[in-house]
Amino acid sequence: EADIYQTPRYLVIGTGKKITLECSQTMGHDKMYWYQQDPGMELHLIHYSYGVNSTEKGDLSSESTVSRIRTEHFPLTLESARPSHTSQYLCASSEYVRGSQETQYFGPGTRLLVL
Amino acid sequence: SQQGEEDPQALSIQEGENATMNCSYKTSINNLQWYRQNSGRGLVHLILIRSNEREKHSGRLRVTLDTSKKSSSLLITASRAADTASYFCATAVKGYQKVTFGIGTKLQVIP
Repeated sequence: EADIYQTPRYLVIGTGKKITLECSQTMGHDKMYWYQQDPGMELHLIHYSYGVNSTEKGDLSSESTVSRIRTEHFPLTLESARPSHTSQYLCASSEYVRGSQETQYFGPGTRLLVL
Repeated sequence: SQQGEEDPQALSIQEGENATMNCSYKTSINNLQWYRQNSGRGLVHLILIRSNEREKHSGRLRVTLDTSKKSSSLLITASRAADTASYFCATAVKGYQKVTFGIGTKLQVIP
């Protein structure tokens, strides 16, 4: 089991609410990622980070935002949740090796349902 | 279109049989990774094969990489019911600091 944690595991929330999905890892990894995955579908990268104070947008446009104030912590925030945000959100981390992409370690995911 | 595409999209076999799934990609890669995802869970890394490698083994898993055909295969030998999961390939494209996941192959192993 990888040392990467996500909370909550499940969240049902009403439209317009602000939510924060937590992700933390204890492996000291510099790179962290957020993916969005609909049931039975591929993963879409929505945010990633090279390290503290670094955040980048991924391949899929997302209304969410992220922050990286500490190495181990990479929370994702939705200011105003909508039903279209209903999905599974997966957090991952990896070592940072220049010019390479190393093994990613995934958390268990957060299943979000916006009513 | 996807950088990495798995084939078949779904596979159902009897316990004890071998399962083979394939991944094709479009551009030059640094490495290719295979992951497993049990229903409703995160992904678990299985094997990473670098562009200068042709074959790797890990337990009952065998991965091959053919860079001339831009394809990889994952073989699971002597399958078990616990192997039931979705399997994803992820390609690490040269010059990019992220990997791209395919749509996955859903494997069902029937006891």
